[in-house]
Amino acid sequence: NAGVTQTPKFRILKIGQSMTLQCTQDMNHNYMYWYRQDPGMGLKLIYYSVGAGITDKGEVPNGYNVSRSTTEDFPLRLELAAPSQTSVYFCASSSRGRTGSGYEQYFGPGTRLTVT
Amino acid sequence: GQQLNQSPQSMFIQEGEDVSMNCTSSSIFNTWLWYKQDPGEGPVLLIALYKAGELTSNGRLTAQFGITRKDSFLNISASIPSDVGIYFCAGPTNAGKSTFGDGTTLTVKP
Repeated sequence: NAGVTQTPKFRILKIGQSMTLQCTQDMNHNYMYWYRQDPGMGLKLIYYSVGAGITDKGEVPNGYNVSRSTTEDFPLRLELAAPSQTSVYFCASSSRGRTGSGYEQYFGPGTRLTVT
Repeated sequence: GQQLNQSPQSMFIQEGEDVSMNCTSSSIFNTWLWYKQDPGEGPVLLIALYKAGELTSNGRLTAQFGITRKDSFLNISASIPSDVGIYFCAGPTNAGKSTFGDGTTLTVKP
C-alpha cells in the first residue's frame, strides 16, 4: 500500500491564483482530513470528510473548498490565493480503530505552498 | 473547543539521555494518541492509548494514559539522533476528528 499520497510536493502561487492540492489514499478509509501547519505551530483542521459525498468545515475553512466524490480522493481547492495561505498542507485518513471511533490518523508527506 | 497543552515546547538534550514530555487538557479524553513528525515529513502515529492508567511501550518509547483522563505522558529512553523531530499529542473530539497539541520539538546533540 502507498498509504496517503499528496501532489504536488511544492508549489509557488501568485496572489489571486487558484490551485487544487490532490490527496489519495489506498487504505479504504472512510475518514479524510486536510490540515495546515504554519512554521513552529501545530496542525489546524481545514476540512474533513466522514465518507464519499460528505464534507464539513474544520477550524480554519475560509479560502478553501473540498469535494469527496470517491472514497479514495479528497482534493483541496484554494481560490484567490493570499499570502496568509502560505503553509504546509497535510492530508490524512483514518478508519475505525480499536474503540470503533477511527481516531488513528495516517498522514501524507505534505504540500509546501508559498503565496507571493 | 477542547485544547491540548504540551510541555515543554522544546527540548535540547544530549544523546543517551532520557526524555519526558506531557500533554494536558481541561477536558476528559477517552483516547490519547502520540505522533512524531520528522523534519520535512508528515506526522506518524507512535502510540495509541485507550484506557485510563494504561502504560504502553513501542521500543524505547513509553506512553501513559493519566488516571484523571486529562493528561498523558511520553517518555523516550536512551535518546539517539534519529529521535529528533516534533512530538504531538492528540485526543478525539467527535465524528472521527482529533484535536492536536502544538507539539514538543526535540533536538538531540550527538
